Amino acid sequence: KQEVTQIPAALSVPEGENLVLNCSFTDSAIYNLQWFRQDPGKGLTSLLLIQSSQREQTSGRLNASLDKSSGRSTLYIAASQPGDSATYLCAVCQGGSEKLVFGKGTKLTVNP
Amino acid sequence: NAGVTQTPKFQVLKTGQSMTLQCAQDMNHNSMYWYRQDPGMGLRLIYYSASEGTTDKGEVPNGYNVSRLNKREFSLRLESAAPSQTSVYFCASQWWEGEQFFGPGTRLTVL
Repeated sequence: KQEVTQIPAALSVPEGENLVLNCSFTDSAIYNLQWFRQDPGKGLTSLLLIQSSQREQTSGRLNASLDKSSGRSTLYIAASQPGDSATYLCAVCQGGSEKLVFGKGTKLTVNP
Repeated sequence: NAGVTQTPKFQVLKTGQSMTLQCAQDMNHNSMYWYRQDPGMGLRLIYYSASEGTTDKGEVPNGYNVSRLNKREFSLRLESAAPSQTSVYFCASQWWEGEQFFGPGTRLTVL
């Protein structure tokens, strides 16, 4: 059974810092991996989707990498801002399935 | 283009009451999903529908039923609500194994 782990559960950084959020998964037979952002009381917003054949994806200050063989993905946020404060979740789509398996998220706080 | 919409946004029920949560998407996606999100448990899949006319159980289907009314709409029904079903419910949709898009959620309290 696929399990997705995100460490740390919470992270607090000063504004302007570059930071890395980690995601690991137990079964490397994935089709893709997706990073989401969730603001308090809101739904999930898709940030980046990485196909299993890709190594990384970039969108603005965000860069997500994927190492399928080691079961790891990282989300890099450059020059963090208070508006980046949210919970970040990663989810993997198992090969042959259209279902996502989610990690429990990392709650990020960026202090002014 | 509204994306994924859910109604209602909030609901309070008494134990034993029934209700239906509505979800609609306007992105012509084939797959639709219902999740619940609880503190410390993360997001858990209740039911999903890979295409119009098909539905399958997810991780926590007990106490729920679903209907894929057409390609756009996917409803979740609680026949006899229990306090353990107090949660935030999210609907989502995606095109095959592509990006998944979420609705804003329904906050349900069962007294």
